[in-house]
Amino acid sequence: GAVVSQHPSWVICKSGTSVKIECRSLDFQATTMFWYRQFPKQSLMLMATSNEGSKATYEQGVEKDKFLINHASLTLSTLTVTSAHPEDSSFYICSASSAEIRTSVHNEQFFGPGTRLTVL
Amino acid sequence: RKEVEQDPGPFNVPEGATVAFNCTYSNSASQSFFWYRQDCRKEPKLLMSVYSSGNEDGRFTAQLNRASQYISLLIRDSKLSDSATYLCAVWGNTGNQFYFGTGTSLTVIP
Repeated sequence: GAVVSQHPSWVICKSGTSVKIECRSLDFQATTMFWYRQFPKQSLMLMATSNEGSKATYEQGVEKDKFLINHASLTLSTLTVTSAHPEDSSFYICSASSAEIRTSVHNEQFFGPGTRLTVL
Repeated sequence: RKEVEQDPGPFNVPEGATVAFNCTYSNSASQSFFWYRQDCRKEPKLLMSVYSSGNEDGRFTAQLNRASQYISLLIRDSKLSDSATYLCAVWGNTGNQFYFGTGTSLTVIP
């Protein structure tokens, strides 16, 4: 159980186009979803946290108008990279957590397989 | 100051060696700590949670030192398959942010 999927797993696009990445919790309801970005040989950087039905909370330095996050349901969150440029090329990973699945004080997180974005 | 600091390594150790990683966190109110393993071009996989009393899972032992605000991971009898990047992670004090360390690269050499 507790499976998270991401789509697409791999995308190449031209500079200036927008790319939408979907993150789905397949067998549980995700009250919170997180979006991370990972550049080569670097760690996962938290971009934003989204709760279903609420506006996403962005980390400092992340442009909310460029990285649009929608968490319209308890099983789906989307990240849209608007007007993508080569410097946006990265590995984008989502994770989901649920109040129903706790292994510690806080909810356990389940990660999607990631989306590799290459902007030409 | 970063929420989580971690020595990036790399650590290159022979098979059978014992290796330890440390990770420091800045927020003394943090309550939940984890170690993840990430293979190249893959998502992180939870290795183990870190409890105040310390916990062990086979060859892996995790410790938490609240006074010094660090967590550690000890790997005994290293296997070739242990080669990966190990990331520590901490929930932020509001419980709404989950931060990773930079990751420590481990290569186990035959």
